[in-house]
Amino acid sequence: KQEVTQIPAALSVPEGENLVLNCSFTDSAIYNLQWFRQDPGKGLTSLLLIQSSQREQTSGRLNASLDKSSGRSTLYIAASQPGDSATYLCAVQGSGRRALTFGSGTRLQVQP
Amino acid sequence: AAGVIQSPRHLIKEKRETATLKCYPIPRHDTVYWYQQGPGQDPQFLISFYEKMQSDKGSIPDRFSAQQFSDYHSELNMSSLELGDSALYFCASSPARDRDGYTFGSGTRLTVV
Repeated sequence: KQEVTQIPAALSVPEGENLVLNCSFTDSAIYNLQWFRQDPGKGLTSLLLIQSSQREQTSGRLNASLDKSSGRSTLYIAASQPGDSATYLCAVQGSGRRALTFGSGTRLQVQP
Repeated sequence: AAGVIQSPRHLIKEKRETATLKCYPIPRHDTVYWYQQGPGQDPQFLISFYEKMQSDKGSIPDRFSAQQFSDYHSELNMSSLELGDSALYFCASSPARDRDGYTFGSGTRLTVV
């Protein structure tokens, strides 16, 4: 059974810092990995999707990497802003099962 | 761009009542997924449909059922509601080419009192 772990569980940083969120998964036979953002009580917004054959994806100040063999992904946020404050969820889609398995998220607070 | 539409946004029900949640996927997306997110929890997969047939089943209670209709919209029916069913219920859709990833709706917040 796929298990997804995210470290740290919570993070508080001053505005302007670069930061890294970590995601690890136990079964490397994945189809893709997706990073989501969730504001309190709100829906899930897709940030980046990395296919199993890819090593990284970039969108604006966000960069996500994937090392399938070691079962790890990182989300890099450059020059953090207070508006980045949210919970960031990592989710993997297995090669056989189409449903996503989520990590428990990293709750990020960027202080102005 | 069209997104995944869920209704209602909020729902309050009493214990033992029934509830029906609706999901309208992005046009031309043929797969619909339902997830449940309890307070402080990560989303848990309930059930999915591909081309109107159930394609996968997760931790969906026997009290719940779902279906996908000919227009691809889906409904999650919940009976004999319990306090523990209070959660955010998300619907997501994806095209046949999974490599485009999931798009989630804004969710339905169900409160059972």
